Amino acid sequence: AQSVTQLDSHVSVSEGTPVLLRCNYSSSYSPSLFWYVQHPNKGLQLLLKYTSAATLVKGINGFEAEFKKSETSFHLTKPSAHMSDAAEYFCVVTEGDGGSQGNLIFGKGTKLSVKP
Amino acid sequence: NAGVTQTPKFRVLKTGQSMTLLCAQDMNHEYMYWYRQDPGMGLRLIHYSVGEGTTAKGEVPDGYNVSRLKKQNFLLGLESAAPSQTSVYFCASSYLLVLGTAKNIQYFGAGTRLSVL
Repeated sequence: AQSVTQLDSHVSVSEGTPVLLRCNYSSSYSPSLFWYVQHPNKGLQLLLKYTSAATLVKGINGFEAEFKKSETSFHLTKPSAHMSDAAEYFCVVTEGDGGSQGNLIFGKGTKLSVKP
Repeated sequence: NAGVTQTPKFRVLKTGQSMTLLCAQDMNHEYMYWYRQDPGMGLRLIHYSVGEGTTAKGEVPDGYNVSRLKKQNFLLGLESAAPSQTSVYFCASSYLLVLGTAKNIQYFGAGTRLSVL
């Protein structure tokens, strides 16, 4: 069965410094992986996705993630944090091969705080 | 470009009351989902639907029922609300692209905040 672990429940950075949000997954299939972002009192927005093409995936707002099969990781990074990046981030893996119901398995979330 | 619309946005119920949450999507998606979000738990799937007239249980289905009478709508019902159902509920919809392309990108509504007293 698929699962996903976000290694930090809360990350705090200063504005202008790099962001690293860590995610490890387990999957019996070739996984599809996603990062979603949720700003306070808002719905979830897709940040980026990995679907077995390039291992380095670029998303919106300057975020990117690298799929490392040997480490079963899909960490999210950004070179320079902005105040507007303060939000909760969810790492997500598909259940099954994506050709069935394609249910998503969510990590428990990492809350990112950005200090001025 | 409405996307996924959830109504209502907020609701307070008393224990034992019933209500229905409505989700509507205008993207002609086949798949629709209901999740609940609780602090420190991420999102957990309640029920989902792979097409009009079909529904299936997710991870936490107890106490909820769903219906998908029209392709664009997915209803979540609480027959007898309990305080444990206090949560934020999210609806999502998706299409599936085949052959290793973007699999199962889900588009989310803004959520419904439900409190059961």
